[in-house]
Amino acid sequence: KNEVEQSPQNLTAQEGEFITINCSYSVGISALHWLQQHPGGGIVSLFMLSSGKKKHGRLIATINIQEKHSSLHITASHPRDSAVYICAVRFSNSGYALNFGKGTSLLVTP
Amino acid sequence: DAGITQSPRYKITETGRQVTLMCHQTWSHSYMFWYRQDLGHGLRLIYYSAAADITDKGEVPDGYVVSRSKTENFPLTLESATRSQTSVYFCASTQDTIGYGYTFGSGTRLTVV
Repeated sequence: KNEVEQSPQNLTAQEGEFITINCSYSVGISALHWLQQHPGGGIVSLFMLSSGKKKHGRLIATINIQEKHSSLHITASHPRDSAVYICAVRFSNSGYALNFGKGTSLLVTP
Repeated sequence: DAGITQSPRYKITETGRQVTLMCHQTWSHSYMFWYRQDLGHGLRLIYYSAAADITDKGEVPDGYVVSRSKTENFPLTLESATRSQTSVYFCASTQDTIGYGYTFGSGTRLTVV
């Protein structure tokens, strides 16, 4: 069964802390996406990964294909990073539709 | 601006009424999707389309109808709205090319009373 699991479900951090959000999936994938959604807002794509590591500003995304696991890291977190972070996977056996994790709600306090 | 436009942004309707949510994209992406987002479930696929006149069911299609007569439009119709269809609906699109990203609309918040 195609499944995507995210952890933690909720996360509170103080400004400046290093944050890690994890994503595990059940079977082979074509690509993994990290998405950001601010309260009441739309969904924005942060990263698309099929291997290795990508960095954009203070955000780093890594993927381990053998272990079927990805992490999203936020360095020097800031209150404006408060949002829901969603892992979405395109499984190799399911065409072009994305399968989503339930999201991680992040609150960064000053 | 190029991208995906969803309308309306907010809609309140009564149980039993038919309602249509619109999705329009300007990039001529081949694939379009409708997802609903509910607390505790994340985003779930309702219907998708690989090209004009080609549509297929997703995980939660019951009570919904789609059509795609033109590449750029992918409307979602609730034939007889129920309270369980109260949700936030997102349209998305991508190209049928490996490594191509996905674009999401801003969402439609639908309340069925």
